[in-house]
Amino acid sequence: QVQLQESGPGLVKPSQTLSLTCTVSGYSISSGSYYWSWIRQPAGKGLELIGRLYTSGSTNYNPSLQSRVIISVDMSRNQFSLTLSSVTAADTAVYYCARMTTVVTHYFDYWGQGALVTVSS
Amino acid sequence: QSVLTQPPSVSAAPGQKVTISCSGSSSNIGNNYVSWYQQLPGTAPKLLMYENNKRPSGIPDRFSGSKSGTSATLGITGLQTGDEADYYCGTWDSSLSGPVFGGGTKLTVL
Repeated sequence: QVQLQESGPGLVKPSQTLSLTCTVSGYSISSGSYYWSWIRQPAGKGLELIGRLYTSGSTNYNPSLQSRVIISVDMSRNQFSLTLSSVTAADTAVYYCARMTTVVTHYFDYWGQGALVTVSS
Repeated sequence: QSVLTQPPSVSAAPGQKVTISCSGSSSNIGNNYVSWYQQLPGTAPKLLMYENNKRPSGIPDRFSGSKSGTSATLGITGLQTGDEADYYCGTWDSSLSGPVFGGGTKLTVL
């Protein structure tokens, strides 16, 4: 059974950097065949794609966040991470990591439980 | 503003049927598969439908999906109070070269 679990600080100060890690179990990221993604959801709002990473290390980011986002992978730990710099209150949200199929179908089949990150001084 | 358009809310009585629409364009729904996600209150989204009309293991056949042109529809029959949730459609957008979601539809079972 594939499982994803987000971890990281729940409180970040404005202008600082948000860092989250997603630990994957039940599937090896290095096996390929999937995109590893970050998605966020502000309270009471819809889902926003942040970006995705492929096993090769290639990444794609939401243009509205691209200047502040880095998604990276640590295959030895079977983890991938999100770094979002210069955060503001608008970055307060529940952050989800998810696995997305790559070939033709493009759906998110497994999701983490989500990590609430609040940006506040 | 979401790329895909869904009604903000729908409602129906227990036991009844409801449909949720998802409208897009030729660059997304028109030429790509659609998926649906159920988000129960306080939980993460869960895959409900993929490749337009396929149900993952464990999803009851009360849930169905269809696609026609640049629109897709999720149908739920025999509504239960446990179906109260937010429902999101998703697909790939060839122009954006990335996945996109609808704004979500809140289902209320009266």
